[in-house]
Amino acid sequence: QQQVKQSPQSLIVQKGGISIINCAYENTAFDYFPWYQQFPGKGPALLIAIRPDVSEKKEGRFTISFNKSAKQFSLHIMDSQPGDSATYFCAAKAAGNKLTFGGGTRVLVKP
Amino acid sequence: GAGVSQTPSNKVTEKGKYVELRCDPISGHTALYWYRQSLGQGPEFLIYFQGTGAADDSGLPNDRFFAVRPEGSVSTLKIQRTERGDSAVYLCASSLRARPEDTGELFFGEGSRLTVL
Repeated sequence: QQQVKQSPQSLIVQKGGISIINCAYENTAFDYFPWYQQFPGKGPALLIAIRPDVSEKKEGRFTISFNKSAKQFSLHIMDSQPGDSATYFCAAKAAGNKLTFGGGTRVLVKP
Repeated sequence: GAGVSQTPSNKVTEKGKYVELRCDPISGHTALYWYRQSLGQGPEFLIYFQGTGAADDSGLPNDRFFAVRPEGSVSTLKIQRTERGDSAVYLCASSLRARPEDTGELFFGEGSRLTVL
């Protein structure tokens, strides 16, 4: 059972454009929502994270928007750069310590 | 190095063989996790250690999989009677704090790619 659904599977954006990745979840016990960035041959690295008591969090060019009632959250990458080309994973955590990851979105930023 | 170290980086084995994958966490990190990532998929939780004990092993797929962390630092993931379906990248992560949301950021290693022929 996929508890965190991520879309799209891939996207192409022009340099300077906005990349938007969406995630939806079912488990209302989730209380922590991180996003990870993964380059080929590397492990995932934490990009930004949010708790459900806030609706938006911004760090540099990266913004998480969170809609608790809709059980959805999204990552916006502003002014996308070729160096942002990577696979992005949303994740969620309930009680305990294990993260449940989405299926990933491969982002390609064209120069 | 200062990061999470995993060995081997690549392992090719035959169906039915036994495999051990090693993880060296960041020094001082008490929490250690194993995840499995199949091609084109997100990481899937296997097991979590807090210190020497397995606090949550609910993600281990069956009794062919076992992990230890005898001294609370290095961990070994052991897979018996490997099957072709075990082929994946096995990721190890460590964190300073027990709960990821308490700024207990998970630091992942580069993974061990296991191929079962």
